[in-house]
Amino acid sequence: DGGITQSPKYLFRKEGQNVTLSCEQNLNHDAMYWYRQDPGQGLRLIYYSQIVNDFQKGDIAEGYSVSREKKESFPLTVTSAQKNPTAFYLCASSIVQGVTEAFFGQGTRLTVV
Amino acid sequence: SQQGEEDPQALSIQEGENATMNCSYKTSINNLQWYRQNSGRGLVHLILIRSNEREKHSGRLRVTLDTSKKSSSLLITASRAADTASYFCATDAFIGGGGADGLTFGKGTHLIIQP
Repeated sequence: DGGITQSPKYLFRKEGQNVTLSCEQNLNHDAMYWYRQDPGQGLRLIYYSQIVNDFQKGDIAEGYSVSREKKESFPLTVTSAQKNPTAFYLCASSIVQGVTEAFFGQGTRLTVV
Repeated sequence: SQQGEEDPQALSIQEGENATMNCSYKTSINNLQWYRQNSGRGLVHLILIRSNEREKHSGRLRVTLDTSKKSSSLLITASRAADTASYFCATDAFIGGGGADGLTFGKGTHLIIQP
């Protein structure tokens, strides 16, 4: 089955630790995105990538980092510099950035303890 | 910054009634999309309407786009309990310089269908 997979579904992190969220797609999509969603809020764009080895900052990139070494993978690292990291993180992909529909993973809920 | 803004923030109707949600945006767009999100899950694409289209249908969904008013509406006819979800509009907004684009979302309308 083609799709986009995020792991883990739930993640707990101690304050001061970096943590990496996984996002893998087998849809052969060029564009990939990371969003953050807080309770009762919309999605805010963290980073996006149009092609391998290239990525751009979104609205709230501070405290986050990404890499795009392979077309299928777009991991997100939440660093200790992110002051309020507890949130629901969503990864998405699309054939072409912004022009076609985006396919979303099921999300990772990160909690800082 | 959020490009789209949905209205109302929450809507509760009886099963069988029609539900209408609105979206306003700020800048010129190439297309506008509507997505649905069930609680704690990822988003699911519903429909895409291009800037040169005025209306589009998909099953019980009807979307309109008015580029002069920078607004769109999503109509769900003959609502069902299973339609209970949050609905988001998304636009291909221009972010920063350099020609890069990104898909930006509004805060959503939370729709509750009461049986």
